[in-house]
Amino acid sequence: GAVVSQHPSRVICKSGTSVKIECRSLDFQATTMFWYRQFPKQSLMLMATSNEGSKATYEQGVEKDKFLINHASLTLSTLTVTSAHPEDSSFYICSARDRDRGRVEQFFGPGTRLTVL
Amino acid sequence: GIQVEQSPPDLILQEGANSTLRCNFSDSVNNLQWFHQNPWGQLINLFYIPSGTKQNGRLSATTVATERYSLLYISSSQTTDSGVYFCAASTQGGSEKLVFGKGTKLTVNP
Repeated sequence: GAVVSQHPSRVICKSGTSVKIECRSLDFQATTMFWYRQFPKQSLMLMATSNEGSKATYEQGVEKDKFLINHASLTLSTLTVTSAHPEDSSFYICSARDRDRGRVEQFFGPGTRLTVL
Repeated sequence: GIQVEQSPPDLILQEGANSTLRCNFSDSVNNLQWFHQNPWGQLINLFYIPSGTKQNGRLSATTVATERYSLLYISSSQTTDSGVYFCAASTQGGSEKLVFGKGTKLTVNP
C-alpha cells in the first residue's frame, strides 16, 4: 500500500514553455501533498504544501506565480512550472500523507526530471 | 526551524561489512523517516521512526528522541545497498513539513 505515482517521469522542453507534473496517490486518500525539488548531488528542498480544496502554502523564496499548484481531489495534485527557464531544470518529487493512517509518515513519488533547453 | 544533520557524508565499505549512519536533529519531532534514494532518484521508505527501535531484515533503526538523534544500522552490506541515505524530520506542532539532512552517500564495493 501507500503508492504514489508521478507523470511524466522525464520531460524536456524549450525555454518559455509551461510544464505540468501530476502526482497521484494510487491506493489511499491524501488531504496533504508536498512538492520538493532536488538539484544534482544535493538534498531535497520543500517547495510547497498542497492541501485538497485550498490554496497551497509556499516556502520562502518559491515564486507562487511560477510554480502553480492545484490539489483538486484527494488523490491528485499538480505542479505547473510556468514559462520555464534553464535554471528551473531539476528533479521534482512529490509526497503524500495517508489520511487514514493516523500518523504523519510521507510516501514519495518516483520523481520527474525536468530539463529546460 | 528544525535543523537535521547527517554523518558521515560519505562512507565506503566492503561487501559484508556493517555500518552505522547518524542523524542529529535540533528540536522535538513528530516524524522522523529514513530513506534510500536509488540511482533513478526514487526515495524508498526505510523507516518511520519518531522514537524507539525497528528492524527490517538487515536494516534497523533507533531514535532516541530525548537526545535528538537517530541511527540507521546496515548489517552484512551488499552492493545493492549503495546509494544515498536521507534522514528527514518534522517538528511537533508544525505543519508536517519534512526537513531533509544532506544525506550519506554509501558505496559498497564487491
